[in-house]
Amino acid sequence: DAKTTQPPSMDCAEGRAANLPCNHSTISGNEYVYWYRQIHSQGPQYIIHGLKNNETNEMASLIITEDRKSSTLILPHATLRDTAVYYCIVRASNTGTASKLTFGTGTRLQVTL
Amino acid sequence: EAGVAQSPRYKIIEKRQSVAFWCNPISGHATLYWYQQILGQGPKLLIQFQNNGVVDDSQLPKDRFSAERLKGVDSTLKIQPAKLEDSAVYLCASSPTGDRRLTGELFFGEGSRLTVL
Repeated sequence: DAKTTQPPSMDCAEGRAANLPCNHSTISGNEYVYWYRQIHSQGPQYIIHGLKNNETNEMASLIITEDRKSSTLILPHATLRDTAVYYCIVRASNTGTASKLTFGTGTRLQVTL
Repeated sequence: EAGVAQSPRYKIIEKRQSVAFWCNPISGHATLYWYQQILGQGPKLLIQFQNNGVVDDSQLPKDRFSAERLKGVDSTLKIQPAKLEDSAVYLCASSPTGDRRLTGELFFGEGSRLTVL
């Protein structure tokens, strides 16, 4: 699986959009971009994933550049409960029982009043 | 729908002792994972099961760690003898097969925190 690079930490004011970047310059054509987050003392939680197109769900939006070498996770209106470590992961298959998630160190997002 | 259940939540042992962690995945999920998360790091995969067979155990320290999923449902991870560096949170996750949404999502439990003194 391709390696990802994320900033170690970011701050965001409550109510503002949080834009979390991720570089994955060695991504292969069959690799998806996944985002998970981990709130303190909890297990990681799935947020969103995509292959080429931008994706949106009730939690966030995922913007993938045309060359697929980077992506941005957008939390449109951050709240204090969004304070967590956010992991960007590239993974070979979107169904993969044989395809594991390999976590890096992620970005620690601190949402402040 | 019940989530992934893990126990115990916390365990403190002395080095060279043994410990076991239990995981009950979401009903119907064929794939089960054990991850180790050391403080300040992301989770690291230890072992992956598909039903009761091992798919990937390449990062499991087999001299001291063992895991089983005998009936393809719940699973046990054992450490014997424990070392100081085994202090970590042990996370269990599960995922379905044949998921029509094809999200490839993993569902994690809250983890078992191990402290080795």
